Amino acid sequence: DADVTQTPRNRITKTGKRIMLECSQTKGHDRMYWYRQDPGLGLRLIYYSFDVKDINKGEISDGYSVSRQAQAKFSLSLESAIPNQTALYFCATSEGAHEKLFFGSGTQLSVL
Amino acid sequence: GQSLEQPSEVTAVEGAIVQINCTYQTSGFYGLSWYQQHDGGAPTFLSYNALDGLEETGRFSSFLSRSDSYGYLLLQELQMKDSASYFCALGGATNKLIFGTGTLLAVQP
Repeated sequence: DADVTQTPRNRITKTGKRIMLECSQTKGHDRMYWYRQDPGLGLRLIYYSFDVKDINKGEISDGYSVSRQAQAKFSLSLESAIPNQTALYFCATSEGAHEKLFFGSGTQLSVL
Repeated sequence: GQSLEQPSEVTAVEGAIVQINCTYQTSGFYGLSWYQQHDGGAPTFLSYNALDGLEETGRFSSFLSRSDSYGYLLLQELQMKDSASYFCALGGATNKLIFGTGTLLAVQP
């Protein structure tokens, strides 16, 4: 079983729809992250959380929101999806500062 | 802010050695990491340099020079399975990694 699980793996939606991407982990890590990957742009940080009561904006948080429901769960929402949010989204965890990131398998989101 | 630059593509032959460079601009950071990503897959951690110098992990080595704002990943005895994208990333105090745009390595027979 994967240590960091993202659902769904693929999603196609329409402009204006609300979308939630979910991430759960069994690694017991406190720190969780959401990244977005676009071709040629690498991975860009959307939001990150160091514990259940801690939520921080990353480089590109506009148009996104997150919820840390438990240590193991970190969800990313697009309140009103737009086509330029079409991308590959990754959730990641780390044990602490300066520790390596463990990534989920990603969610490919297409907004039509 | 922080920025990292990598070559967009590198091609090498099986069995050879290849170096992927990463130059960066930052006001401060704790370390430079390298991640590998096969097409459509999840990035996986390869190496981390907190200090200047060379870190070796099997066929992969990574180097950091803070005075030159430069690092590189060295892959030896290239195999076809090494064909992937490679990302350098800067880590700050909060470990919110900032990634470079990635280098696509194509290993040819």
